[in-house]
Amino acid sequence: GAGVSQTPSNKVTEKGKYVELRCDPISGHTALYWYRQSLGQGPEFLIYFQGTGAADDSGLPNDRFFAVRPEGSVSTLKIQRTERGDSAVYLCASSQNRGRWGTDTQYFGPGTRLTVL
Amino acid sequence: EDQVTQSPEALRLQEGESSSLNCSYTVSGLRGLFWYRQDPGKGPEFLFTLYSAGEEKEKERLKATLTKKESFLHITAPKPEDSATYLCAVQAGDSNYQLIWGAGTKLIIKP
Repeated sequence: GAGVSQTPSNKVTEKGKYVELRCDPISGHTALYWYRQSLGQGPEFLIYFQGTGAADDSGLPNDRFFAVRPEGSVSTLKIQRTERGDSAVYLCASSQNRGRWGTDTQYFGPGTRLTVL
Repeated sequence: EDQVTQSPEALRLQEGESSSLNCSYTVSGLRGLFWYRQDPGKGPEFLFTLYSAGEEKEKERLKATLTKKESFLHITAPKPEDSATYLCAVQAGDSNYQLIWGAGTKLIIKP
């Protein structure tokens, strides 16, 4: 596609509910990233996929957060038992991944604004 | 500890009034420094990557420069449509994907 797309653009849920956020990366990009952004802050790293596998999930705050990328393209971020503190903008980015010695430029989607009531 | 600091937090300029935004960094082994623009309700939009001290890149009214300790984003004769938050991020060390982000500078250009 032309760019990274994310759905939904907005999600309002109640405390304790389960939510799924979807990311469709730029075609041909093997690397995919999820970030969380709070107002007035830079993006906070959550997880990095290289192909189908999670290469680094060190940023996931706890075991209520999980992400998958089963076919190496679309990814879903899943949040169980949502809490009010999970409210934020969830950003997805993708890059070509030029290998260990390259420097990848990450291209971002528009984000999903999650509000937990 | 690797750190990226942006200043000022907010900057208000009149249309046509040139200025600079600062991104200071302390990291081990810089691989690249990235500038992004973010409009309200949207994701960051890539502007530039700088790799080594002395490097400069330009795009329309924006010019990014890099030294061993900081980067500047110079904006010349800005227009109201340049209003946005400008984010700086650094990639360093062994990682080819981890980005260390600043908190951004909110730029407001008044007509």
